[in-house]
Amino acid sequence: DTGVSQNPRHKITKRGQNVTFRCDPISEHNRLYWYRQTLGQGPEFLTYFQNEAQLEKSRLLSDRFSAERPKGSFSTLEIQRTEQGDSAMYLCASSLHGGTYEQYFGPGTRLTVT
Amino acid sequence: KNEVEQSPQNLTAQEGEFITINCSYSVGISALHWLQQHPGGGIVSLFMLSSGKKKHGRLIATINIQEKHSSLHITASHPRDSAVYICAVYLTGNQFYFGTGTSLTVIP
Repeated sequence: DTGVSQNPRHKITKRGQNVTFRCDPISEHNRLYWYRQTLGQGPEFLTYFQNEAQLEKSRLLSDRFSAERPKGSFSTLEIQRTEQGDSAMYLCASSLHGGTYEQYFGPGTRLTVT
Repeated sequence: KNEVEQSPQNLTAQEGEFITINCSYSVGISALHWLQQHPGGGIVSLFMLSSGKKKHGRLIATINIQEKHSSLHITASHPRDSAVYICAVYLTGNQFYFGTGTSLTVIP
């Protein structure tokens, strides 16, 4: 297994456009997490899935943000009507529920909204 | 108030020095995670612990549940240890909080 992968690695978009990011977790991991990280800060939790169910969403996740994990494998995070404040690194992590809580992180998608 | 506080925020050390990074938290936790983040964003898990001490190579992590405190030690530091070290705590009920990280620079 090659670990958690994310695509694209970089995305530059104009304000008002929609963007979608993809995360492929470690194959046997049933939990998948999305985080946002801005410069100089630690990751901020956005949402997580157990299998295909979205179990928790942060209040940071405004109605312009939506995440899906339709088959309990890969996940997508969509941001509609992007704003400059959405510029950040979007990180995905996965873990095995019933394990040690240890999360394995992907390389992230860096979003720049111009 | 942050649930997780790390200190120091920035640390510069000479190669070979012994380094300590501290993490304090204000809530009861199930486990604590030390992570390493290199420039460019990739995050690597270093340790997951809920009690006692763990060692891996030159890295040692300790946790004191009663004092709500954990430390990450690096012995014989090397420039390749330069990174941001992040502490994350896991609460029951699937809540977790991250510290803002300690930026370490090891000078040859």
